Formats: sequence, C-alpha cells, structure tokens
Amino acid sequence: DAKTTQPTSMDCAEGRAANLPCNHSTISGNEYVYWYRQIHSQGPQYIIHGLKNNETNEMASLIITEDRKSSTLILPHATLRDTAVYYCIVSPQGNQFYFGTGTSLTVIP
Amino acid sequence: DADVTQTPRNRITKTGKRIMLECSQTKGHDRMYWYRQDPGLGLQLIYYSFDVKDINKGEISDGYSVSRQAQAKFSLSLESAIPNQTALYFCATSDPPRTAPGELFFGEGSRLTVL
Repeated sequence: DAKTTQPTSMDCAEGRAANLPCNHSTISGNEYVYWYRQIHSQGPQYIIHGLKNNETNEMASLIITEDRKSSTLILPHATLRDTAVYYCIVSPQGNQFYFGTGTSLTVIP
Repeated sequence: DADVTQTPRNRITKTGKRIMLECSQTKGHDRMYWYRQDPGLGLQLIYYSFDVKDINKGEISDGYSVSRQAQAKFSLSLESAIPNQTALYFCATSDPPRTAPGELFFGEGSRLTVL
C-alpha cells in the first residue's frame, strides 16, 4: 500500500487559508487521494477525494500535482471549528483505508 | 438516530475477560470496518468485511476476531483482553466503488479500558 507523509502539526490564523501538504511518492495509478479530519475523539469525517484533477467542494479544495506524488488540502477561510487532525490517505478505488498519524491543525484566533 | 451505531460506548473490563463490541448500520452499505485508535495516534485497521461472506485482516488483527452476522451488523471480539488493548475503537461503513470510490462513514466510537 502507498504511504503518505504529513507534517505533525500546523497553525493557521482564523480567516486565513490553511494549506495542508501531503507526500505520496509511491502512489499507484489506480489509487485515489482522500482527506479526512477528526475533531477531538469523534469518528473521522470525509472531506474530499481526487484521482488526478484538482477538486473543490463546499468544505475544501484538493490540489494534486501533475506527477501525483503530492497533494495539498486547502481550507479557504479557516475557522476555530476547523481545528482537528487531518488525515491524507491513498486508497485503490476506495478499498482498505489506512490512516497514518495525520496533521494536527490548530486555528488561532 | 446515527447511521452507524456502536455499543457499548464505554466499557471497563479486567485482563483476561472476553469482550464484544457491536456495530450496526442503517446505511445499507456492504462494506464494514473496525479501527483502533490509541491516545494521540492515528487509526489502525483491525479487520474489514466487503460482504457477509468476506472477512479480511487489517494491520493489527492479532488478539481480535470478528463476525459479520448480517449486512448491517459487524462485531469485534477480544477473546482475552489485555491492558494494551485499551483504546478507542471505531466502526465504519462504505459502499463499494462503482462509478466513484466509496467514502467511509464512522460510528461514534467505543472506548475500552482493560485493567
């Protein structure tokens, strides 16, 4: 399975864009990039996913590099409620989701 | 009501006891998963099931067993609990990918303490 590398922690000022990077240099052609977040000890929540193209939804944008070896999750206007652990996962067509340790994002007032 | 329900939500038990965590879902999904989360760490996949007759080991299946009683029910058992199995356990479901890959839907978690 492809593995991902994320920074352990990041801070972001409230109202600013939060850019969370993820490296997945061994990603295979049929593997999607997923992002989830976990607030406190709640069950993780799906944010967005993509294969090759950049994606945007009401929560975030996902930018995938052309070689697919890295991606960035963008929260355009971070709020205090976005403070959470963010997980980047690569998975072949939604089979077997393996979570790493994620990035702990703190949004600062 | 939650789409993915875990019982019990909290349990304290003693070393050597048999424990069962239950998960039921009303989403109609074929796929179900059990994850474990230790304090301050990410989630680790224990077992997963893609349909009633399909059971697969995940990253950390030793010391655990599962039963898929029906499409909607997936139970996790600790035959003889030990203290390092103290953790937060999550059940999740997903649809099989068809035209687009499925996403995971999580329960609220079951906090298990083994003394």
